Amino acid sequence: DAKTTQPTSMDCAEGRAANLPCNHSTISGNEYVYWYRQIHSQGPQYIIHGLKNNETNEMASLIITEDRKSSTLILPHATLRDTAVYYCIVRPVYNNNDMRFGAGTRLTVKP
Amino acid sequence: EPEVTQTPSHQVTQMGQEVILRCVPISNHLYFYWYRQILGQKVEFLVSFYNNEISEKSEIFDDQFSVERPDGSNFTLKIRSTKLEDSAMYFCASSPTSPKGTDTQYFGPGTRLTVL
Repeated sequence: DAKTTQPTSMDCAEGRAANLPCNHSTISGNEYVYWYRQIHSQGPQYIIHGLKNNETNEMASLIITEDRKSSTLILPHATLRDTAVYYCIVRPVYNNNDMRFGAGTRLTVKP
Repeated sequence: EPEVTQTPSHQVTQMGQEVILRCVPISNHLYFYWYRQILGQKVEFLVSFYNNEISEKSEIFDDQFSVERPDGSNFTLKIRSTKLEDSAMYFCASSPTSPKGTDTQYFGPGTRLTVL
């Protein structure tokens, strides 16, 4: 089963930052934190991943706490098209097979 | 930007029939996967494939399922005798290197399989 805990749902106002939390208290030192999202029934879309340091790309920022037991995905300026289910996944660094999707957080961006 | 593609987008079949779902992974990727998602449920891992053999499979991937890379571009999932409970979205994914690599999986748009 998934090694992460996420809120079931969240709302965000369009144009505002969406901050999606994830708890992964049992994470080990050789496990990544990955974020994907799924819009309607489309295929999961890769967003970002990190190991220890905070990461930023064109889609989002990932903030990982110093003890690595939790992280936050930040969408800096949410749009209606960001409405989706967001999955936080802990995955071993050297085992690409072990991707376990949980229930995720359903983010609704409202006008 | 390169993408994983899947065909068909929707497949309807009768119970007991064989179906083949097709995927074209990203061209320089070497490692391929199938997942499924029953309506309203989680995305579940089925199988991974590397170097022309199965690398890992879940308990869902029983003898009714098989995978193949018939040529240099396609990756297929065959279900020999479909059951009603096989109705689901099936997603193909690929990643650049071996299972012991650090690479990200990229997913296709999925095939919706409906078994009547």
